[in-house]
Amino acid sequence: NAGVTQTPKFQVLKTGQSMTLQCAQDMNHEYMSWYRQDPGMGLRLIHYSVGAGITDQGEVPNGYNVSRSTTEDFPLRLLSAAPSQTSVYFCASRSGGAGLQPQHFGDGTRLSIL
Amino acid sequence: DQQVKQNSPSLSVQEGRISILNCDYTNSMFDYFLWYKKYPAEGPTFLISISSIKDKNEDGRFTVFLNKSAKHLSLHIVPSQPGDSAVYFCAAIGLSNAGGTSYGKLTFGQGTILTVHP
Repeated sequence: NAGVTQTPKFQVLKTGQSMTLQCAQDMNHEYMSWYRQDPGMGLRLIHYSVGAGITDQGEVPNGYNVSRSTTEDFPLRLLSAAPSQTSVYFCASRSGGAGLQPQHFGDGTRLSIL
Repeated sequence: DQQVKQNSPSLSVQEGRISILNCDYTNSMFDYFLWYKKYPAEGPTFLISISSIKDKNEDGRFTVFLNKSAKHLSLHIVPSQPGDSAVYFCAAIGLSNAGGTSYGKLTFGQGTILTVHP
């Protein structure tokens, strides 16, 4: 059971470049989210989705784009990379059942913008 | 505005002793609270949760206490083991107030680095 898979694990970009961070889950979870982790800031929500075709902004959405065409995949796009986007990015998913369903996280993508 | 705060960046304890990690929150719309554990180069993993209608939840060596009036929760690990050394994140979510800003979104604290010495 793969759970939540993120690719790539590491990436170095130049300022202004664009790229897509991939996230796939095989648990048929409705909810998927993207977070960034920065020192002293914990994990901050970038964008999230409550199902295929439905996305919404989180706490720090600027400079990022998402789409959810299938239940399994939730890619995060950096449109024009900036040094401030250097961070570790985590994708997570959870089921939409009643009550609290804990999130399952991928192992992260470490992104450096030069 | 940090709605979930972990004011201790790090904690060091001896193996076999109790570890107490603290967390404060400001949003009264949160109705579930969770603790996640994170090892280096891995994603966070769910540890334990508590509903706002309870004041204690226990799972083996891990117990979470919630004080709603003080908007404070804590995670107790007894006895602490070297394998517990990790970053611990407190998180909160609102699931009962659709339309509220906290609804369905998990808000994390900054994390506390726990080191358990043999």
